[in-house]
Amino acid sequence: NAGVTQTPKFQVLKTGQSMTLQCAQDMNHEYMSWYRQDPGMGLRLIHYSVGAGITDQGEVPNGYNVSRSTTEDFPLRLLSAAPSQTSVYFCASSSPERGHYGYTFGSGTRLTVV
Amino acid sequence: TQLLEQSPQFLSIQEGENLTVYCNSSSVFSSLQWYRQEPGEGPVLLVTVVTGGEVKKLKRLTFQFGDARKDSSLHITAAQPGDTGLYLCAGLSSGTYKYIFGTGTRLKVLA
Repeated sequence: NAGVTQTPKFQVLKTGQSMTLQCAQDMNHEYMSWYRQDPGMGLRLIHYSVGAGITDQGEVPNGYNVSRSTTEDFPLRLLSAAPSQTSVYFCASSSPERGHYGYTFGSGTRLTVV
Repeated sequence: TQLLEQSPQFLSIQEGENLTVYCNSSSVFSSLQWYRQEPGEGPVLLVTVVTGGEVKKLKRLTFQFGDARKDSSLHITAAQPGDTGLYLCAGLSSGTYKYIFGTGTRLKVLA
C-alpha cells in the first residue's frame, strides 16, 4: 500500500515551459486535492476533486489545470510556467468515510522556475 | 476568503517546557485537523476535532476545538526534541469539501 505517490520529486523549468505533476493514490479515495506551500503562507489550495470527472477551483487556480479521468490519478498541469510558480506542491487524498478525518499527503514536488 | 491564523509563527523552547499553539478564524468549520510536517515530507495528520468544545489527547499533546467551532489550540506538555516540526491546522468549510490550512507554527525543541 503506497498511499499517495507524487512524481517527480524535483523539477527545474524555464519560464514559459509546460509540464505535468503526477499524483496517484491506491487507497480508493474519492477526494483529491493539490496544494502549494510557500514560506510563511502555509498550504494554499489550487484545485480539488470529489470524484472521477469532477474538479473545482481552490484559492489559487490561475495558471494550473487539472483533470480526473480515474479515481486513482489527479495530474496537475502548468500551462506556461512563471517564476511565481516556484513552490513545493503537495497532492492529498481522502474519502467520504474519512471526510472529517483529514488528508493523506504525498511527499511533494519541489518546483523551481527560472 | 476564509483565513486561519496561527500563533505564534515561530517557537523555540527547551526540552521539558510546555507550550500552546493557537489557530483562529472568523469562520465556522465543520471540523478541524492538526498536522505535523517535517522537512522534505508532506504533512501527517495528528488529530481531527468535530464537536464544539471537544478535547482530544494524544500522549503529551492536547487538542481543543472552540465552542463556536472557529478556533482551536494545541498544547504540548514536557516538549521533547522529537516534537520539532511545522504544525499546521486545517479547517473543513461547512457544506464544502475544501480544507483551508493555517499559516503554520514552526516549533524547535532544544535538548
